[in-house]
Amino acid sequence: ETGVTQTPRHLVMGMTNKKSLKCEQHLGHNAMYWYKQSAKKPLELMFVYSLEERVENNSVPSRFSPECPNSSHLFLHLHTLQPEDSALYLCASSQDVAGRGYTFGSGTRLTVV
Amino acid sequence: TQLLEQSPQFLSIQEGENLTVYCNSSSVFSSLQWYRQEPGEGPVLLVTVVTGGEVKKLKRLTFQFGDARKDSSLHITAAQPGDTGLYLCAGVPGTYKYIFGTGTRLKVLA
Repeated sequence: ETGVTQTPRHLVMGMTNKKSLKCEQHLGHNAMYWYKQSAKKPLELMFVYSLEERVENNSVPSRFSPECPNSSHLFLHLHTLQPEDSALYLCASSQDVAGRGYTFGSGTRLTVV
Repeated sequence: TQLLEQSPQFLSIQEGENLTVYCNSSSVFSSLQWYRQEPGEGPVLLVTVVTGGEVKKLKRLTFQFGDARKDSSLHITAAQPGDTGLYLCAGVPGTYKYIFGTGTRLKVLA
């Protein structure tokens, strides 16, 4: 399998649940990202990992917790979310953090009820 | 705060028509990228423009970077239903801290 794969594609969770989003890239890239895409708003950068080290936490609430166990895998752990956290969560990877262009996954459509 | 404004926000046209989408900012970028996002999928990189005044062509799509590297346009010739999607521009300041535009949602009717 090639590219960036995200699972699950859809997730409905209650405000007291704990769930995790998974992202896997098969491109040999060294940087991975989490983005949030909400209706009528630009893509919002959440977290950046370069060579498995977190280099950016863009003022994201602590109810979102990223994990990067190796350069191919990225997780986003979710707990006690709010309804306004409902959005499309996109994972992306790039060769490095120099701005050469992303490869995005298909996203996880998250609904918090 | 850096912003990238795209216009129009929505565009619905008939197959075969031409269209132009604009991406404007008051900030200078080292490069600018255009992505297309289809429903239920993530954005796909179409092109990166780097030099002020640069023009790149991708089949029926023509991308131009403004001379001052603050704005860009995307022109589609003879649009087809397969061009339907959300077009996003992204200003690249030289690092991963992209500034994404608000998007132009294009629908091409057969």
